[in-house]
Amino acid sequence: QVQLQESGPGLVKPSETLSLTCAVSGSSISSAYYWGWIRQPPGKGLEWIGIFYRGGSTHYNPSLKSRLTISIDTSKNQFSLKLSSVTAADTALYYCARRGVPADKSYFDYWGQGTLVTVSS
Amino acid sequence: EIVLTQSPGTLSLSPGERATLSCRASQSVSSSYLAWYQQKPGQAPRLLIYGASSRATGIPDRFSGSGSGTDFTLTISRLEPEDFAVYYCQQYGTSPPPFGGGTKVEIK
Repeated sequence: QVQLQESGPGLVKPSETLSLTCAVSGSSISSAYYWGWIRQPPGKGLEWIGIFYRGGSTHYNPSLKSRLTISIDTSKNQFSLKLSSVTAADTALYYCARRGVPADKSYFDYWGQGTLVTVSS
Repeated sequence: EIVLTQSPGTLSLSPGERATLSCRASQSVSSSYLAWYQQKPGQAPRLLIYGASSRATGIPDRFSGSGSGTDFTLTISRLEPEDFAVYYCQQYGTSPPPFGGGTKVEIK
């Protein structure tokens, strides 16, 4: 059974960097999947953040690209999100998820439970 | 960039009734790369449908998806108490792959 679990600070100050980690079990992060992040502001819909593939291929939401880094740590079977220069607009529930590689399987089939990050001084 | 518009915003129905949810794309969705997710309060989204009409593993057959091009539909044939939730569509044929704004199915 594939499981993903997000972790990281629940409170980040404006202008600082938001850092989250997603620990994966039941699936190797080196296997043929993309690993990604999605967020959901309180009471709102889902926003695709970006994805990372084992070979170093990344795809980022253009609206976040200049502030975003997604990376993987194969030794720990986990991947990470770093979002710099955060503002209150970055307050959201952050989900990590697994995505298939071929185009016809590029939906998110497994999700973490989500972690709430609040940006506030 | 493709924009997905879901309607209605809220659907008020009783258990046992049929639910029909719409997802309309601003441009044609290639090869029916359209997914539906269910999200219950306090839970992560769960994949229901991919490829516009294929049910994900373990999804009951009362859930069905249809459509192509720009118009897609999720149908729940007979609502069970556990089906009252928010449903999102997502197009995954282009990058970034957008989500629709969601339809809330609530108990009438």
